Amino acid sequence: NAGVTQTPKFRVLKTGQSMTLLCAQDMNHEYMYWYRQDPGMGLRLIHYSVGEGTTAKGEVPDGYNVSRLKKQNFLLGLESAAPSQTSVYFCAGRRTGQYEQYFGPGTRLTVT
Amino acid sequence: AQKITQTQPGMFVQEKEAVTLDCTYDTSDQSYGLFWYKQPSSGEMIFLIYQGSYDEQNATEGRYSLNFQKARKSANLVISASQLGDSAMYFCAMREGLGAGGTSYGKLTFGQGTILTVHP
Repeated sequence: NAGVTQTPKFRVLKTGQSMTLLCAQDMNHEYMYWYRQDPGMGLRLIHYSVGEGTTAKGEVPDGYNVSRLKKQNFLLGLESAAPSQTSVYFCAGRRTGQYEQYFGPGTRLTVT
Repeated sequence: AQKITQTQPGMFVQEKEAVTLDCTYDTSDQSYGLFWYKQPSSGEMIFLIYQGSYDEQNATEGRYSLNFQKARKSANLVISASQLGDSAMYFCAMREGLGAGGTSYGKLTFGQGTILTVHP
């Protein structure tokens, strides 16, 4: 099992560019989450999904969109990147009936 | 709204000694859960321990124990017999409580973290 994987690991964008971060899991997670981690702060929830085809906003959703067309994948999109979106992005997944979230290795994004 | 507070930006401990990392929380939910995660310098998030609000006993996982004091709204992590590999950032997090219909989406609220340094 690969667990929870994230692609890419690193990315540098210019202001205004767009990109998509991919989270894939082979752990049969119904729930999936996208968080961002900024220096000196804990993780903050961007968007989440409770199942295939469903998404919902978290604490800091502005500037991001998500899609979950397949149960295994949860995509995070930035339509027009801004320097304030420079951060480390973590994806996590969880099975129904379990509390623990399994995290991916993270994607370090820099917007110049 | 839920809130997690970790008041210790950094902690130092001697190898083989015990250390307590503080965590206080605020919530109006009756049912909730508390987690501790470890983030080493490599960056990944590692689950350590979980405590449910209705669990009568404090959770333990090997050298980790969670000192849960519900009335004081605290959920401190105790690491016994510290090792050099314990040097990392530690995050306390809280799972949202049950919403209408008894459903929880499991969203987590994190504290700001505590950097633990273990000295030889």
